[in-house]
Amino acid sequence: AQSVTQLDSQVPVFEEAPVELRCNYSSSVSVYLFWYVQYPNQGLQLLLKYLSGSTLVKGINGFEAEFNKSQTSFHLRKPSVHISDTAEYFCAVSELTGGGNKLTFGTGTQLKVEL
Amino acid sequence: NAGVTQTPKFQVLKTGQSMTLQCAQDMNHNSMYWYRQDPGMGLRLIYYSASEGTTDKGEVPNGYNVSRLNKREFSLRLESAAPSQTSVYFCASDHRVMNTEAFFGQGTRLTVV
Repeated sequence: AQSVTQLDSQVPVFEEAPVELRCNYSSSVSVYLFWYVQYPNQGLQLLLKYLSGSTLVKGINGFEAEFNKSQTSFHLRKPSVHISDTAEYFCAVSELTGGGNKLTFGTGTQLKVEL
Repeated sequence: NAGVTQTPKFQVLKTGQSMTLQCAQDMNHNSMYWYRQDPGMGLRLIYYSASEGTTDKGEVPNGYNVSRLNKREFSLRLESAAPSQTSVYFCASDHRVMNTEAFFGQGTRLTVV
């Protein structure tokens, strides 16, 4: 079985400061990794994904993440945050099987950007 | 493009009532999923349908049933609602093979009193 751990439930940061949201996963097989963002009262929107290839993945809105297989991590980073980045961020993994692309989510990290 | 459409957006039920949450996608996706989101617990998979004509249980299926009506539509039914089913429900879909990105609906906020 796969699992995802997001240790930080809340991360406050000042505008224009850098931020890192941590994600660790466990799985007995190879996985695909995702970061989703959820703005208040909305659905989830994909920020970026790692399927294979380069371990540094760039996504929308200036976010990037690095896949580290030895540390089983997929931390999300942004060098300079904006007030509009305030949202909840979810890390997720999937094992692509014949049974579909089932996602296992972490518990989420609430990013609060302050002026 | 509408993407993934869920109805209704909000619903209040009394304990023991039944209801069906509707989900439709217009992206010709093979696979569809129902998740529930609870505070501090992220999203958990209730049921999924890998392809038209198949459905399987996810992590938290108890108290729910699903129907994959056709390739576009995947409904979630609560036969006898309980307060523990108060949650936000999300439907998602993906192509399963060609594109592993899941697209999510806007959610249904369900309160059971």
